[in-house]
Amino acid sequence: GQQLNQSPQSMFIQEGEDVSMNCTSSSIFNTWLWYKQDPGEGPVLLIALYKAGELTSNGRLTAQFGITRKDSFLNISASIPSDVGIYFCAGPAMTGANSKLTFGKGITLSVRP
Amino acid sequence: GAGVSQTPSNKVTEKGKYVELRCDPISGHTALYWYRQSLGQGPEFLIYFQGTGAADDSGLPNDRFFAVRPEGSVSTLKIQRTERGDSAVYLCASSLGSPAEQFFGPGTRLTVL
Repeated sequence: GQQLNQSPQSMFIQEGEDVSMNCTSSSIFNTWLWYKQDPGEGPVLLIALYKAGELTSNGRLTAQFGITRKDSFLNISASIPSDVGIYFCAGPAMTGANSKLTFGKGITLSVRP
Repeated sequence: GAGVSQTPSNKVTEKGKYVELRCDPISGHTALYWYRQSLGQGPEFLIYFQGTGAADDSGLPNDRFFAVRPEGSVSTLKIQRTERGDSAVYLCASSLGSPAEQFFGPGTRLTVL
């Protein structure tokens, strides 16, 4: 089945720094999604990308849909303590009802004040 | 504004018992999804409803798992003869139709002793 790869598992940065996260797949996705999950909560959609090469921003967040459709990255600029959490990339299945999302394992971000 | 709600927030049960987990989607959302999230992993798809019918149940791990959505709104995930390996956070999400814009509830943490 489709798999999304995220590494490293954890990232540690200083408040105010920028951070970039990558997500790769061995198969093509037509949509790339980035979610953030806080402890005890469900994932919250940050950015959705629908077109290869698309670059989309949401405040301090910027995400790009790779040209090959097999990767995406998320940048967070000028990090703040509330950026702490787990960041997941996800994409809809390419087969069947095209409804279920496949998630990566996530990257846990820690921000040192 | 009401988001997706899930009850109970925590459920502790003994091996072999039956459990029901409830999901109240966002009002008007026709699509409802169940996912399971184990520690250190991203959510994994279980089942998807469009209206009252299960459009895709390919993620249900075995026949101990069953879900219903009799009136096209509230859904119940039912697990029979629970096993310790069923311990996880069970997430529910709903959307208006686009699989990309799924809104997640806070989840139910199930612990099977």
